Amino acid sequence: DAGVTQSPTHLIKTRGQHVTLRCSPISGHKSVSWYQQVLGQGPQFIFQYYEKEERGRGNFPDRFSARQFPNYSSELNVNALLLGDSALYLCASRQGNTGELFFGEGSRLTVL
Amino acid sequence: SQQGEEDPQALSIQEGENATMNCSYKTSINNLQWYRQNSGRGLVHLILIRSNEREKHSGRLRVTLDTSKKSSSLLITASRAADTASYFCATDAGAGSYQLTFGKGTKLSVIP
Repeated sequence: DAGVTQSPTHLIKTRGQHVTLRCSPISGHKSVSWYQQVLGQGPQFIFQYYEKEERGRGNFPDRFSARQFPNYSSELNVNALLLGDSALYLCASRQGNTGELFFGEGSRLTVL
Repeated sequence: SQQGEEDPQALSIQEGENATMNCSYKTSINNLQWYRQNSGRGLVHLILIRSNEREKHSGRLRVTLDTSKKSSSLLITASRAADTASYFCATDAGAGSYQLTFGKGTKLSVIP
């Protein structure tokens, strides 16, 4: 069975641009979470969606937004990119609201 | 913000030795999980221990949890070069909180 898939794997943007990252969860998983991991740090929670509703939001500015589609895939959007947004963006899925997370390989964003 | 703090930040051992990593956290939890991350890749779930459990085993992994001290440890026995990775603890507060809060991780190097 396919795991969590993310696209693109790598991308380079300049300050002020916007970016859309995509995630497909494991089949049957209804919950998708997004995490930001800056080099040398642990992942930081951005959003969780369950059954297409936002169920949690981390301490990130309004430039960050997300949504979940009827097929449970998800998009993370970041507007007005800053240098500090350079990070590995990880998507994770799980069947319900608790338990282990299954992570994708991440999207590496570099902002110049 | 990071709830957990892993200790040590980096650990270097010889193949065949045991590796012990510690995690401390600040608030009440529903469960605590350990994840592994190979350089720049996605995280892989290793083990979950619930707040009413004190010890759990999975293959060469042994996890302990002391909720009175708000701490956990991960022991990897008979380490192998392939165990080289970063290891993160993550806490799940439960009670409507859908996020996992990760520590900064321990970077383990196993020398052949």
